[in-house]
Amino acid sequence: DTAVSQTPKYLVTQMGNDKSIKCEQNLGHDTMYWYKQDSKKFLKIMFSYNNKELIINETVPNRFSPKSPDKAHLNLHINSLELGDSAVYFCASSQDFRNQPQHFGDGTRLSIL
Amino acid sequence: QKEVEQNSGPLSVPEGAIASLNCTYSDRVSQSFFWYRQYSGKSPELIMSIYSNGDKEDGRFTAQLNKASQYVSLLIRDSQPSDSATYLCAVYSGGSNYKLTFGKGTLLTVNP
Repeated sequence: DTAVSQTPKYLVTQMGNDKSIKCEQNLGHDTMYWYKQDSKKFLKIMFSYNNKELIINETVPNRFSPKSPDKAHLNLHINSLELGDSAVYFCASSQDFRNQPQHFGDGTRLSIL
Repeated sequence: QKEVEQNSGPLSVPEGAIASLNCTYSDRVSQSFFWYRQYSGKSPELIMSIYSNGDKEDGRFTAQLNKASQYVSLLIRDSQPSDSATYLCAVYSGGSNYKLTFGKGTLLTVNP
């Protein structure tokens, strides 16, 4: 059983399009995250939700909108995709938001043409 | 801006040797420290967590923490070619901002 699963694994699309990435965890964790890893492999937090409530919102363009329908799911919708959005997006989860280790999904590789 | 610094490498060691990976962090009140391993094209995988000063051993891995010096390290004994990967140091910010900040990673190559 996959603990943190993301779909799709690959996303190739054109500039200006809107796309969504879905994430689900079956670990019973309260907290979920979205990270972006750029071409230089730097992993940076974007958003965090704890029990469906947004608790971390880094300096991210408002074209990115996370949604958490329940604590096991965290989706990421991106409007008007730009070339600079090309990266690998990782979902992660942790038991709670206080100093707990985070477990990552396999990532979604987004390529903008 | 809380920072986590690592040597980017590459760090190259022969098979069977000890690989030593180092990390410094800027937030004096940080309490939780993690090492992740990331193979090329894969996701980060948690290999060690450490919360108290001193050493913590798990198999061939030893994490060392010195909060006074704001320094955390990972030793890999009897290095194997399968250990070749990027190792990411991650530190939780102190206070009420529970954000996990990652270093840029150290690329380790273990030569057979």
